[in-house]
Amino acid sequence: GAGVSQSPSNKVTEKGKDVELRCDPISGHTALYWYRQSLGQGLEFLIYFQGNSAPDKSGLPSDRFSAERTGGSVSTLTIQRTQQEDSAVYLCASSLWDNEQFFGPGTRLTVL
Amino acid sequence: QKEVEQNSGPLSVPEGAIASLNCTYSDRVSQSFFWYRQYSGKSPELIMSIYSNGDKEDGRFTAQLNKASQYVSLLIRDSQPSDSATYLCAVNRGNQGGKLIFGQGTELSVKP
Repeated sequence: GAGVSQSPSNKVTEKGKDVELRCDPISGHTALYWYRQSLGQGLEFLIYFQGNSAPDKSGLPSDRFSAERTGGSVSTLTIQRTQQEDSAVYLCASSLWDNEQFFGPGTRLTVL
Repeated sequence: QKEVEQNSGPLSVPEGAIASLNCTYSDRVSQSFFWYRQYSGKSPELIMSIYSNGDKEDGRFTAQLNKASQYVSLLIRDSQPSDSATYLCAVNRGNQGGKLIFGQGTELSVKP
């Protein structure tokens, strides 16, 4: 079946603009996760959804970051007033309950 | 001390040899352990999961877990040049949903 999909694959934006990143999980997966990966920082957790609820938002780096999930499926990560330090690859993963996670291809965000 | 530690490498092995990748974790309540392979410019790909002490084998891959020593390893037998990638160790504490804590990764190079 289809894997996790993310869009866009690449996003270049200017400092101060808002961006929206989309994740479409594997059909039937109840849990969805956002991570980001940047040079020198490794892969860091941002937020976790179980259904439409986000029981763990502990990794969001500031209040400029927010995420939502609707219909227990698609999720959107929004970054407001982007900064250069937001440049990274944003990865989405999904799992059946809290088991093995499968990653999408990622969105590479570049903030100029 | 980082929660999940790996040697960054690069680890270089000749084709056909056994590659041994190691990971230690600091939180004793950790429940689930995963190995991901990440090729340059690509997203992480799940290759092994292990939940209980001992060995788990899947093809050329063997994961080993020792909870008393807080240690998990991945052995790759008959290494191939196509195994050259960064290997990420990930740990789930089990009390925070499916949130994964990743190590920095070990770069493996298999020389023909």
